[in-house]
Amino acid sequence: AQSVAQPEDQVNVAEGNPLTVKCTYSVSGNPYLFWYVQYPNRGLQFLLKYITGDNLVKGSYGFEAEFNKSQTSFHLKKPSALVSDSALYFCAVRVPDSGGYQKVTFGTGTKLQVIP
Amino acid sequence: DVKVTQSSRYLVKRTGEKVFLECVQDMDHENMFWYRQDPGLGLRLIYFSYDVKMKEKGDIPEGYSVSREKKERFSLILESASTNQTSMYLCASRLPGGDTQYFGPGTRLTVL
Repeated sequence: AQSVAQPEDQVNVAEGNPLTVKCTYSVSGNPYLFWYVQYPNRGLQFLLKYITGDNLVKGSYGFEAEFNKSQTSFHLKKPSALVSDSALYFCAVRVPDSGGYQKVTFGTGTKLQVIP
Repeated sequence: DVKVTQSSRYLVKRTGEKVFLECVQDMDHENMFWYRQDPGLGLRLIYFSYDVKMKEKGDIPEGYSVSREKKERFSLILESASTNQTSMYLCASRLPGGDTQYFGPGTRLTVL
């Protein structure tokens, strides 16, 4: 069974400071990893994904994430946080060679609060 | 841009009522999904559909059914709503084998 853990329910960071939102995963096989963002009263929006290749993935709105196979992590980062980054962030995993429907498993979400 | 729309943003229903949640996507995606989102539990898959008239149970199908008569439309049905079905419901679509799911804005359902 595959699983995703987001160990922090909430992350607070001052505007202009770097931010990190943590994600670890557990799968059998090679994972596809995703980050989605949800702004208040909105659906989820795709931010970035890791499929293969370079471990550092760049996405929308200046976000990036680093795939670390040995630590089974895929932390989301941004060098300088904006107040508008305040939202709920979800990490997700899919195993492409698992056969049948390739289920996507989502984490429980981390609320990012950027303080002016 | 892919657009996924849901028929209602907010819905209030009574216990025992039959509830229909509608989802429409405009990008000719074969795969469609219904999730519910609850605090501390993240997103949980209720049902998904590979294509028209095809459906598969997700992780929490009990108390729900679905209908996919047309490619662009995927309906979630609560046959007899209960208070524990109060939640945010999210619809998504995806190309077969595609990596990215495209989500609707969500329907916040309250069952009294």
